[in-house]
Amino acid sequence: EPEVTQTPSHQVTQMGQEVILRCVPISNHLYFYWYRQILGQKVEFLVSFYNNEISEKSEIFDDQFSVERPDGSNFTLKIRSTKLEDSAMYFCASRGIPGTSNYNEQFFGPGTRLTVL
Amino acid sequence: QKEVEQDPGPLSVPEGAIVSLNCTYSNSAFQYFMWYRQYSRKGPELLMYTYSSGNKEDGRFTAQVDKSSKYISLFIRDSQPSDSATYLCAMKGSNFGNEKLTFGTGTRLTIIP
Repeated sequence: EPEVTQTPSHQVTQMGQEVILRCVPISNHLYFYWYRQILGQKVEFLVSFYNNEISEKSEIFDDQFSVERPDGSNFTLKIRSTKLEDSAMYFCASRGIPGTSNYNEQFFGPGTRLTVL
Repeated sequence: QKEVEQDPGPLSVPEGAIVSLNCTYSNSAFQYFMWYRQYSRKGPELLMYTYSSGNKEDGRFTAQVDKSSKYISLFIRDSQPSDSATYLCAMKGSNFGNEKLTFGTGTRLTIIP
């Protein structure tokens, strides 16, 4: 069964450093998302991406964050200068194409645990 | 008032019991309702997806939506130890231009063998 994959599973970085979190969405999906979950808190939406541009973003997704789909398979989240409060699980999700049975469903990857020291 | 409220639990029930998990919401724009299961340190896994008010059944799971009361439920019949996980409700508005999922805090469920 197709699935969303994410690398690395765990990233440790120093405050102020740049990190890039990588995701490979399900093949043929067109809509891509990043969410985060701070330990013990709820999953929060960061950004949605369609047709090579951001379609929606939350207040959390400030100028320190950016997303990119550098090729036909990868979807990345970059944090330019990490802060302690960026420590969280980051989940990538993708959604199917119109006309398919799972068009409305967002499928999540296993997450990348980011630890900022 | 939070957009989505969910009792965080924890909830412990004996194996074989019926489990009822609930969420309430305040935003009338929410049209699509989902239940996700999340095991420790894993990504959310979609269990049920509903649009209209009423019931939707899939095996041992039944999702119920009452839009008039802004209340959704997930029932698990014949609960198994493997059902032990955190259950997240999630919801969103129409597909066009409002795709973000808004999650509840999750209910941690333990099924006792």
